Amino acid sequence: QQPVQSPQAVILREGEDAVINCSSSKALYSVHWYRQKHGEAPVFLMILLKGGEQKGHEKISASFNEKKQQSSLYLTASQLSYSGTYFCGTGGFGNEKLTFGTGTRLTIIP
Amino acid sequence: GAGVSQSPSNKVTEKGKDVELRCDPISGHTALYWYRQSLGQGLEFLIYFQGNSAPDKSGLPSDRFSAERTGGSVSTLTIQRTQQEDSAVYLCASSPWRSYNEQFFGPGTRLTVL
Repeated sequence: QQPVQSPQAVILREGEDAVINCSSSKALYSVHWYRQKHGEAPVFLMILLKGGEQKGHEKISASFNEKKQQSSLYLTASQLSYSGTYFCGTGGFGNEKLTFGTGTRLTIIP
Repeated sequence: GAGVSQSPSNKVTEKGKDVELRCDPISGHTALYWYRQSLGQGLEFLIYFQGNSAPDKSGLPSDRFSAERTGGSVSTLTIQRTQQEDSAVYLCASSPWRSYNEQFFGPGTRLTVL
């Protein structure tokens, strides 16, 4: 079953913060985050594994709540380059397949 | 080094025709994935290869869809008797190893069925 992402879309001014949530009805072992700009291929941001620590990448970080089967992506002091659609991809233990959410469209305006 | 490449980049076909989409993964990547992305939608898993075998074909939407991988490298996704609902961007990704590694995506093939 497809994970649910929220919000579906968000518009921010440059410098503002955003949180994107990803919830699954299934037990999770891994959560992947990708960003896709219009007309381009998705680009990897980070992976979080069950039992792992919160990850960070520049001003983008993420957390993984195993009990709630949720992950959140945090973007701080957003830049224009952060615009795009963010997808979470979830995987179970021993299952290499990722099930992607429907995406969150993030628009950063000057 | 070279990334994942896909060909053709665009394909327009008539309903009922067969099409073949090709994916060249990054050299040495053992895992290969096919996804489909309809306009404005998320990524829909189709099939996963580990080497030449496909342990998970669960995402193939019908028996008109098939895929193979030869020599642990190039993969071909074949759609027979194409339908208009097959129109989408078909994305291929590869990964160096099965265990929860980053997937590197190719630029995709945009398929339009008239």
